[in-house]
Amino acid sequence: EPEVTQTPSHQVTQMGQEVILRCVPISNHLYFYWYRQILGQKVEFLVSFYNNEISEKSEIFDDQFSVERPDGSNFTLKIRSTKLEDSAMYFCATRLGEGSSSEAFFGQGTRLTVV
Amino acid sequence: AQSVTQLGSHVSVSEGALVLLRCNYSSSVPPYLFWYVQYPNQGLQLLLKYTTGATLVKGINGFEAEFKKSETSFHLTKPSAHMSDAAEYFCAVSLITSGTYKYIFGTGTRLKVLA
Repeated sequence: EPEVTQTPSHQVTQMGQEVILRCVPISNHLYFYWYRQILGQKVEFLVSFYNNEISEKSEIFDDQFSVERPDGSNFTLKIRSTKLEDSAMYFCATRLGEGSSSEAFFGQGTRLTVV
Repeated sequence: AQSVTQLGSHVSVSEGALVLLRCNYSSSVPPYLFWYVQYPNQGLQLLLKYTTGATLVKGINGFEAEFKKSETSFHLTKPSAHMSDAAEYFCAVSLITSGTYKYIFGTGTRLKVLA
C-alpha cells in the first residue's frame, strides 16, 4: 500500500539552528500539506502546497518557515532559527486530487525537539 | 467559521464495553467528515470518512460513525472495545478556504481501555 514517508523520525536541534524536515509523498498525489502537533494539543494546519507554490498558510507559518519541492519528489519544510516553541510533531500529508472528499494520507511524523 | 468540537479529551471504557467518541461540527456547507486514529508514537491513520450517500459509515477495526445533519454530529462508535483500541482519536472536517482544501481537526479524544 502506498504511503507517505517522513525523515527523520526524530530530530533534536539547538535553539537558533536551522532544520529541514523531509517528506516523500505518494507518487501520483498532487496536493501536499504540513501539519504540526504540539505535545498534548490538537493537530494544527501549517501550509498547503500545489503546483509548486503555497496555496494557503496559517498564522503559525511565519517567515521562519518555508516549503519547497526541489527535485519533484521530496517535499520539505525548513525552519530557520528554531525556537523552543517549535518543538512538536510535524506531519506531512498528501492528497490525490482536488475535492474535499479526497482523503489525506499522513506520514508517521517527525518529532522535533528544540533544546 | 468552520470548526470541529470533540467532547471529552479523555474517555475510559472497560474491555468489551461500548465505545462512543463524540464529534460535532459547524459548517455553512455540507461537510466531508473524517475520523483518524493515532497510536502512540505513530502518525494519523484514517478510520473512516463520510462524503455523500449512506449516513452510517463503517471503518476499519470495527468502528463506525453516523452523520446526523440535524444534530451536526459525527460520533464514532464501536460495540465492543478491545485493548488495542487504546489510542488518540481525531475528528476532522474537510473544507475549502481561500480556494484550497484543508482539514480542520478537533482537539482529539484519548481512549483508554481498562482490563
